[in-house]
Amino acid sequence: QQQVKQSPQSLIVQKGGISIINCAYENTAFDYFPWYQQFPGKGPALLIAIRPDVSEKKEGRFTISFNKSAKQFSLHIMDSQPGDSATYFCAATDNYGQNFVFGPGTRLSVLP
Amino acid sequence: ETGVTQTPRHLVMGMTNKKSLKCEQHLGHNAMYWYKQSAKKPLELMFVYSLEERVENNSVPSRFSPECPNSSHLFLHLHTLQPEDSALYLCASSQEQGGGYTFGSGTRLTVV
Repeated sequence: QQQVKQSPQSLIVQKGGISIINCAYENTAFDYFPWYQQFPGKGPALLIAIRPDVSEKKEGRFTISFNKSAKQFSLHIMDSQPGDSATYFCAATDNYGQNFVFGPGTRLSVLP
Repeated sequence: ETGVTQTPRHLVMGMTNKKSLKCEQHLGHNAMYWYKQSAKKPLELMFVYSLEERVENNSVPSRFSPECPNSSHLFLHLHTLQPEDSALYLCASSQEQGGGYTFGSGTRLTVV
């Protein structure tokens, strides 16, 4: 029940396309859902996050869609760029932002 | 720099060596974490310190020993490691009341 499932494992998108990564969870106590972006040789960095009181959050080209009834949330990257090539992790927590459960990651490659 | 600094960036050690990883945060956070990141595996939480007290162990082998002398510093002492312990070790910090993690860039550990 503590798992967060993430798909796909890897994703290849053409420049300008839309990248979509999906996550699903079981624990209904989760109340904070961040996405992290990790470049090679770096630690993960917080990209965007959402709480279940809203169904969508947008920051620039990045949008989180949240479906509370389905216990699913997804990251959409609009107008994907080669610089977006990285590994993306979804996460969830029920403890005021501590002790996250991370998804296994999605390696995104955006082709020029 | 993210505000969380890890040293060294790379470490090669023999199975009989003793070494320590260091993490320092300048963000005023009151919780710190050690994570292990192996290829094709989810991020594995190893240790959590909140207000300098360890709050979670997660059944980590005793060859890994954490130390948190104050809210800004976190160490991971290593001894008699195994080759399967080779991984990227990430330190993170957060405020106790949410806001997500800030990760360091990690220490790439290779056990030979």
